[in-house]
Amino acid sequence: DAGVIQSPRHEVTEMGQEVTLRCKPISGHNSLFWYRQTMMRGLELLIYFNNNVPIDDSGMPEDRFSAKMPNASFSTLKIQPSEPRDSAVYFCASSIRTGEETQYFGPGTRLLVL
Amino acid sequence: QQQVKQSPQSLIVQKGGISIINCAYENTAFDYFPWYQQFPGKGPALLIAIRPDVSEKKEGRFTISFNKSAKQFSLHIMDSQPGDSATYFCAASPYNQGGKLIFGQGTELSVKP
Repeated sequence: DAGVIQSPRHEVTEMGQEVTLRCKPISGHNSLFWYRQTMMRGLELLIYFNNNVPIDDSGMPEDRFSAKMPNASFSTLKIQPSEPRDSAVYFCASSIRTGEETQYFGPGTRLLVL
Repeated sequence: QQQVKQSPQSLIVQKGGISIINCAYENTAFDYFPWYQQFPGKGPALLIAIRPDVSEKKEGRFTISFNKSAKQFSLHIMDSQPGDSATYFCAASPYNQGGKLIFGQGTELSVKP
């Protein structure tokens, strides 16, 4: 079975550009989570969805970040405009149902903003 | 405050030795405590997890010890192997918040042959 799929795996962009990260959760999973990982701050939860509805976006750093989940099989995390401090690895994870704590992580997108 | 503190930041152990990683929390609303293992270039993967109604859980060489009164829990890796070299994260999940996880800062474990 395919796990969580993220694209692109690597992204290099210049400051001020728009960046869109994509995630396909495991089929049948109803919860989706976006994390950011940096050396300084570790793994931070940015936002999570249950049944395609955003539940908690308190971890989104600022208005430059937005996330959508138009259907059960696709989510995006957008940064506009991007800044060098956004450079990090962004992970998407999914779990089978609301309140099921086991999260399955994707391979991540490594973002570098120059 | 929802925070999980993890130590040590890095750990070097000889093959066959015991690796011990510790975590502490303050929020008594946490009711699920997993450990995740992450290899370079990969996403974290669930290793083992415990709920606060038990004090210990063992799966193979991996054991979680949980001390509810002290609000601490630890991961013990027995007979550590070079293949265990990875970054380990403890985490905690608040009750009734949809499976949200709060992660510790991570411990980079290196097992020397």
